[in-house]
Amino acid sequence: AQKVTQTQTSISVMEKTTVTMDCVYETQDSSYFLFWYKQTASGEIVFLIRQDSYKKENATVGHYSLNFQKPKSSIGLIITATQIEDSAVYFCAMRATSSGQKLVFGQGTILKVYL
Amino acid sequence: EAAVTQSPRNKVTVTGGNVTLSCRQTNSHNYMYWYRQDTGHGLRLIHYSYGAGNLQIGDVPDGYKATRTTQEDFFLLLELASPSQTSLYFCASSENTGQLYFGEGSKLTVL
Repeated sequence: AQKVTQTQTSISVMEKTTVTMDCVYETQDSSYFLFWYKQTASGEIVFLIRQDSYKKENATVGHYSLNFQKPKSSIGLIITATQIEDSAVYFCAMRATSSGQKLVFGQGTILKVYL
Repeated sequence: EAAVTQSPRNKVTVTGGNVTLSCRQTNSHNYMYWYRQDTGHGLRLIHYSYGAGNLQIGDVPDGYKATRTTQEDFFLLLELASPSQTSLYFCASSENTGQLYFGEGSKLTVL
């Protein structure tokens, strides 16, 4: 069975700093896909970034990047130069190849960015 | 623009009541999902489907039925609602990539 765990319930950072959110996953599959999603205060959930397990290079999109540590089954989300608008709930998710299109989510981490 | 639309956005019912949540997507995606969101649990998969007439069981299916009538429409049915089903429900669609496009959410309160 697949499992995704986010142990950080809430993080507060000053604007313009860098923050890392942790995520660990469990799967028996050798091929899987990892995702981060953002839920804004309005409730909207949007896709941010993706990492394929067979890729060694960490994915980067805008000021989001990933720290993929396969031996540790870890996929951290790094946000550089944080802005107030980055305040949201961030979800880590995984899709294992053997589970088809089933996407399993973690519990979420609340990020608060202050001036 | 791709869109996933849910209705109703808010629903209040009583224990034992019958509730249907509707979801329509205009993304032409094959896959559609129903998740519930609860504090401390994140998003948990109830049911999903890869096409009209297909239904796959998710991780928390008890007390829920679902039906995919067309490629666009996916319904979640609570035939005997219980207070434990009070939650925020999200519908989503995807292609064969795992990247989900979510609806706005439907808040259900069971008294």
